[in-house]
Amino acid sequence: GAVVSQHPSRVICKSGTSVKIECRSLDFQATTMFWYRQFPKKSLMLMATSNEGSKATYEQGVEKDKFLINHASLTLSTLTVTSAHPEDSSFYICSARGGESFTDTQYFGPGTRLTVL
Amino acid sequence: AQSVTQLDSHVSVSEGTPVLLRCNYSSSYSPSLFWYVQHPNKGLQLLLKYTSAATLVKGINGFEAEFKKSETSFHLTKPSAHMSDAAEYFCVVSPFTGGGNKLTFGTGTQLKVEL
Repeated sequence: GAVVSQHPSRVICKSGTSVKIECRSLDFQATTMFWYRQFPKKSLMLMATSNEGSKATYEQGVEKDKFLINHASLTLSTLTVTSAHPEDSSFYICSARGGESFTDTQYFGPGTRLTVL
Repeated sequence: AQSVTQLDSHVSVSEGTPVLLRCNYSSSYSPSLFWYVQHPNKGLQLLLKYTSAATLVKGINGFEAEFKKSETSFHLTKPSAHMSDAAEYFCVVSPFTGGGNKLTFGTGTQLKVEL
């Protein structure tokens, strides 16, 4: 149980294009999902908290117009990197909270490797 | 405020020998602490978590960690390393039991297991 998937696993795009990454909780409903970014050989940095049916909450320094988050259902959140540039190349990981409470554990997806040429 | 310090960026052990990955934390609350493992180009897998119950926590794959409040430490250990243990390990702190809110990650420790 508690499986989170991400699609695609890898994506290569040209500079200036937009890329959408999906995060799905496969066997549970997740009212809250989180998006992280991981640079090579670095730790994970929380980008934003995504709540079903409401606007995402972005961490300081994260451009909300650059990284659009939509949490349209209890099992799906999407991250769209708009007008991607090479500096956006990174490993993006989502997690889903397995319940309504802050006491519930986060389950992580396998990540999406974005390369912007 | 909360923070996590992983004292070693790289640890190398021989297969069959003990593993020790060190983690110290700082938190304004009584924190919950976690260890996650990440294999190359993969997501994170929860190894174990401490949520104010027993201070010695047993996790998957033979790993365990001990919460020591006086030392603000949560070191990860395993009696005998296996080749498959080679991966990146993250110590994580949360102000909430279970970690359902903002997690603060350490910088990671790369574990290398040699024959």
